[in-house]
Amino acid sequence: DAGVIQSPRHEVTEMGQEVTLRCKPISGHNSLFWYRQTMMRGLELLIYFNNNVPIDDSGMPEDRFSAKMPNASFSTLKIQPSEPRDSAVYFCASSPRIQGGEQYFGPGTRLTVT
Amino acid sequence: EDKVVQSPLSLVVHEGDTVTLNCSYEVTNFRSLLWYKQEKKAPTFLFMLTSSGIEKKSGRLSSILDKKELFSILNITATQTGDSAIYLCAGGSGTYKYIFGTGTRLKVLA
Repeated sequence: DAGVIQSPRHEVTEMGQEVTLRCKPISGHNSLFWYRQTMMRGLELLIYFNNNVPIDDSGMPEDRFSAKMPNASFSTLKIQPSEPRDSAVYFCASSPRIQGGEQYFGPGTRLTVT
Repeated sequence: EDKVVQSPLSLVVHEGDTVTLNCSYEVTNFRSLLWYKQEKKAPTFLFMLTSSGIEKKSGRLSSILDKKELFSILNITATQTGDSAIYLCAGGSGTYKYIFGTGTRLKVLA
């Protein structure tokens, strides 16, 4: 069984450019999470989807960040315009549970904004 | 504000040693605690703990939860160099949201 798939694995872009990160959750999982990990702040939840519906986006840092989940097998996280402080590793995770439970992480996208 | 604190921040041991990693939590409506191992990539799920006093084991790793004292420990016996990683714990309420600690960085020397 394939795990969570993310692309690209690395992204280097210039400040002001649009960045789109992609995620394919594990088949059959109905919960999807986007996290950001930095040395300073650790793992932070950005947004949570349940059955393709955004339930909690309170972790999204600014209006520059947006996320969509058009179907059960695909989600995107977009940053527009990007800034150097957005540099981090962005993880997508999925879970078979709706309320509480193990989450399975993708390999992450390392984003560098210059 | 909910928080999860892990200790020590880092640890260096020799192969064969036993280590104990600590995780204390303050989480509103706490329901479960997760442990992950993170090497140079994604966190890998280790354990989910929901009941106090019941040890979970997987090979040389074991973990237990104390809901009265609000902490959990992760034990690794007979450590190997492959155990070198960052170990994360996360406390969750009855919903989806888990608060992650900043992790314990373990290095096992040959």
